[in-house]
Amino acid sequence: GAGVSQSPSNKVTEKGKDVELRCDPISGHTALYWYRQSLGQGLEFLIYFQGNSAPDKSGLPSDRFSAERTGGSVSTLTIQRTQQEDSAVYLCASSLGRAGRTEAFFGQGTRLTVV
Amino acid sequence: GESVGLHLPTLSVQEGDNSIINCAYSNSASDYFIWYKQESGKGPQFIIDIRSNMDKRQGQRVTVLLNKTVKHLSLQIAATQPGDSAVYFCAEEGGSYIPTFGRGTSLIVHP
Repeated sequence: GAGVSQSPSNKVTEKGKDVELRCDPISGHTALYWYRQSLGQGLEFLIYFQGNSAPDKSGLPSDRFSAERTGGSVSTLTIQRTQQEDSAVYLCASSLGRAGRTEAFFGQGTRLTVV
Repeated sequence: GESVGLHLPTLSVQEGDNSIINCAYSNSASDYFIWYKQESGKGPQFIIDIRSNMDKRQGQRVTVLLNKTVKHLSLQIAATQPGDSAVYFCAEEGGSYIPTFGRGTSLIVHP
């Protein structure tokens, strides 16, 4: 596709369950970001992948959160033992990365609701 | 300016007016700045960017101004239209190549 694709668009899960959120970045983009957005709030940085470098995990709020990026393309964000405070919209973005200063393109997000 | 809690700063304008949305950034080392527009239920969409070696950049109906001395960024929208109603975020980026976003401003355009 032409843009960043995220799935599922909505996810309702029970407290304590694990969830996986998927992101398909724009082809050729070496940088991939995950952000979290709570209702009426700004975007909270979670993790950043750049090419084959070790990811910057400095934004992950706890060790229940992890992310992978396979083959420099698709990324999965995993939240283990979900809590109600994890409810938010999870946004993925990709960019050309360090090839030059260019904007990040965002997906539509996954709305996660923990009940 | 920024607000705490769930209430975003809000700017209400009449259709056809010019809008100015302001943003204060925090890192004096940031060298790249971006404005995004986010409509309800969608991801942020790029509007315009500016590098730190510039103080003004113009696009179609939009202008971004950068004042590095006071770490201030503004977005000017000319002849605002109802379709411009959205939340606008500024983002700054430095050596980490990770965009850091501000809280956002809600723009409401009245027909």
